[in-house]
Amino acid sequence: DTEVTQTPKHLVMGMTNKKSLKCEQHMGHRAMYWYKQKAKKPPELMFVYSYEKLSINESVPSRFSPECPNSSLLNLHLHALQPEDSALYLCASSLGQGPKRETQYFGPGTRLLVL
Amino acid sequence: QQQVKQSPQSLIVQKGGISIINCAYENTAFDYFPWYQQFPGKGPALLIAIRPDVSEKKEGRFTISFNKSAKQFSLHIMDSQPGDSATYFCAATYSGTYKSIFGTGTRLKVLA
Repeated sequence: DTEVTQTPKHLVMGMTNKKSLKCEQHMGHRAMYWYKQKAKKPPELMFVYSYEKLSINESVPSRFSPECPNSSLLNLHLHALQPEDSALYLCASSLGQGPKRETQYFGPGTRLLVL
Repeated sequence: QQQVKQSPQSLIVQKGGISIINCAYENTAFDYFPWYQQFPGKGPALLIAIRPDVSEKKEGRFTISFNKSAKQFSLHIMDSQPGDSATYFCAATYSGTYKSIFGTGTRLKVLA
């Protein structure tokens, strides 16, 4: 099973709302990632969790709050977002880092629209 | 030095033709070079990947050619099909980091 699942598929929220994105994998991967992708652009790394600890935060605004409850789950909590935060949010996972562990598997993404 | 330059930005190929996408990098520490295929509204999917100890890797109709001295690698899609129409991203990473540096993407359209 090489599947990363994400829910919801689509999300529309107002600037005062609080919502959460969810990502799940059952491949035994110990690294999980959040990316943001704008139209016609490559994915931009936001956060990396390694063994359930935050390893990388790419200077993401505090209105995005990641959480890794266990080795299979990754959440992204959203609060007071701006219209420019509208994008496809991708989750990915990998075995870890280093040779033969670094291949990332992406989920289908959550299409977010902030009104 | 962390950039990966990808070209062309867009590509139109006739069915049955060869699609070629090129990437160039500067950081010689990179040691893993994956290619991703992304269809509209979907997440990127790993297509094929190569390490610098080999000059070529082939999987079905997809081939990566790697030139370590020139710091370039390319994706060749043989017998291109309309179903190959997608955006392709090259990427580069190195041991000891979780970060992948992505190219800017190539939108491929294969005409029937």
